[in-house]
Amino acid sequence: DVQLLESGGDLVQPGGSLRLSCAGSGFSFSTYAMTWVRQAPGKGLEWVSTTSGSGAVTQFADSVRGRFTISRDNFKNTLYLQMNSLRVEDTAVYYCARVRRGYNVFDYWGQGTLVTVSS
Amino acid sequence: YVLTQPPSVSVAPGQTARITCGGNNIGGKTVHWYQQKPGQAPVLVVYDDTDRPSGIPERFSGSNSGNTATLTISRVEAGDEADYYCQVWDTSSDHYVFGAGTKVTVL
Repeated sequence: DVQLLESGGDLVQPGGSLRLSCAGSGFSFSTYAMTWVRQAPGKGLEWVSTTSGSGAVTQFADSVRGRFTISRDNFKNTLYLQMNSLRVEDTAVYYCARVRRGYNVFDYWGQGTLVTVSS
Repeated sequence: YVLTQPPSVSVAPGQTARITCGGNNIGGKTVHWYQQKPGQAPVLVVYDDTDRPSGIPERFSGSNSGNTATLTISRVEAGDEADYYCQVWDTSSDHYVFGAGTKVTVL
C-alpha cells in the first residue's frame, strides 16, 4: 500500500525556520513527482510546491517563493520542505501528496503535520 | 486562475447532490475533485473530469463543459458529508489551483 508520513511540524516564532519531511513507502518513490499542500485552520487547500521525480524541476506558489525550498532524497524515499522567514500566515497543516503519473492530480496524501508560527 | 465553488450544499439522504466549480473556460482544462472529512486528509474521488480512482463508489461522477465543472453524488449517504474541493492545473502560471471548497451537509 502507498503510504506517506509527514513529520517535523512544530511551534516556531515569526522569522524562524523549519524543515518538514515526508517519508514515502509502497511505491517507486523516485519515479513520481511529489507535492506539498497546506491548509490553514478552518480554511481551504492551498498548493505550496511540487518537485519532479529526480528533483531537478521545482515549482512554488507565489506566497512562498523565495522563502521555501523543496527537495528530495530518493535513496531515503523522503521529501523535504525547508521553510525560512516564516510568517504568522504560514500557520497550517502541511500535507505531502503524490502526483499521479501523467496527470496533474494528487492521488495519495499523507495525514499532515501542523506548523504554528506565533510569538 | 480562479475557481468558484458554492460554500455549501444541503441534500437529503438518497437524493442527488451537485457541486459546481466555475472558471473561465474550465471546459478546456481537466478538473479533479477531492473529498475531505473533518480531521482527515483529502481523498481523490474524481480525476480527469470523469474518472474514478479504484475504491471510489460509482455514485460519484463528474462532468465538465463551458465555464462549469460539476461533481455529482447520487443516492447520497450520511457518510458523504464532507468538504469537496475542485482542482486544476493552470498552464498560464504553472500553478496548481484549488477551489475554496463546498461543504456538503446531509439533512
